[in-house]
Amino acid sequence: AQKITQTQPGMFVQEKEAVTLDCTYDTSDPSYGLFWYKQPSSGEMIFLIYQGSYDQQNATEGRYSLNFQKARKSANLVISASQLGDSAMYFCAMRESAGAGSYQLTFGKGTKLSVIP
Amino acid sequence: NAGVTQTPKFQVLKTGQSMTLQCAQDMNHEYMSWYRQDPGMGLRLIHYSVGAGITDQGEVPNGYNVSRSTTEDFPLRLLSAAPSQTSVYFCASGQGYGDLPQHFGDGTRLSIL
Repeated sequence: AQKITQTQPGMFVQEKEAVTLDCTYDTSDPSYGLFWYKQPSSGEMIFLIYQGSYDQQNATEGRYSLNFQKARKSANLVISASQLGDSAMYFCAMRESAGAGSYQLTFGKGTKLSVIP
Repeated sequence: NAGVTQTPKFQVLKTGQSMTLQCAQDMNHEYMSWYRQDPGMGLRLIHYSVGAGITDQGEVPNGYNVSRSTTEDFPLRLLSAAPSQTSVYFCASGQGYGDLPQHFGDGTRLSIL
């Protein structure tokens, strides 16, 4: 089974509208973390937002918020007021323990977001 | 701040050749890792290290070797390149226990003919 599932290969959103990118995960690690990264066409990986498994409140960073539903094992990214510069690939990633104080990061396959003027 | 520096940015190899992808970070991060990114596959972990002298395998380690002799450097070696290793390679570093985001290099685009 995939550890991180992003079911939307591509999404379109009108400029200034909000959009939700889906991410579900599977882990037996009681202490895990969830990240969202943005990859524009230039190729660099840009950190957006982080949610720890024990965090009580949903994470927010400016126009980005993470809708964390622990029981459903979902960590959807919400982008409010979309901008043309938001057009990019978006990756959900999960940090799990790998024993002896180390960890591993597993990425989903990504969602390509296109913002329409 | 240089952050994470990867060299080279582009490389073309012939099948069977060897090469080393370089990765250096100047943030004194203990954790460093290598990923490969293939179309439609996201990023997959190749090898990682939690400190100098300590390395471990990720999801797709076959065909790659790593070593970590210093905190700053984490080179990735392809001993005998194969066309299946054509990919974009990212090096990343991080601190703490992974509660903070990793810093990624700009990537190396590698083609094996």
